[in-house]
Amino acid sequence: ETGVTQSPTHLIKTRGQQVTLRCSSQSGHNTVSWYQQALGQGPQFIFQYYREEENGRGNFPPRFSGLQFPNYSSELNVNALELDDSALYLCASSSAWTSGRNEQFFGPGTRLTVL
Amino acid sequence: SQQGEEDPQALSIQEGENATMNCSYKTSINNLQWYRQNSGRGLVHLILIRSNEREKHSGRLRVTLDTSKKSSSLLITASRAADTASYFCATESGGSNYKLTFGKGTLLTVNP
Repeated sequence: ETGVTQSPTHLIKTRGQQVTLRCSSQSGHNTVSWYQQALGQGPQFIFQYYREEENGRGNFPPRFSGLQFPNYSSELNVNALELDDSALYLCASSSAWTSGRNEQFFGPGTRLTVL
Repeated sequence: SQQGEEDPQALSIQEGENATMNCSYKTSINNLQWYRQNSGRGLVHLILIRSNEREKHSGRLRVTLDTSKKSSSLLITASRAADTASYFCATESGGSNYKLTFGKGTLLTVNP
């Protein structure tokens, strides 16, 4: 158990809908990263939040957006869902103060299915 | 885009045998990390090796890093059925954020 929680566990949406996924980071961690993992693939970096601001973004379109709250929890929002958005969405928390030793702690993930 | 590429894609061994997985990457890195994932669940951090380190041990795990060849290996000794999982290498390449770039993983099956 890493102390990182995600909700919901599973979600089914239809194409064109919007979805919000939530993540609570591990105590003492101020950085949250989101990853998308398609079936049979490794996780791909979506973006990272540090102190409530986006701190780096991967190759994902603007319809993927996020928030980080003062308690360092985070949301991932995806608008205009497409079939290819079906994936496991992983949240990872870390401490930006641990320079050169960025061990990230992952939550159990949210399985999103888009029909 | 994938940075690390694990080899082999799948590995099946008997309990008690050693398992070796390899990872290659393309750009310079700050560190390389190995993670385990059971049945599409969350990732569990196994070990981190910094770019100035060559070898690291943790219990039954041994990781090597060769920055000149841009490659790493993960050795699991005396494997157990509970080691059955997907194993991913991930690189951190610096910059102002701490994003990890993962490979596609090796599926390890340990038969009892």
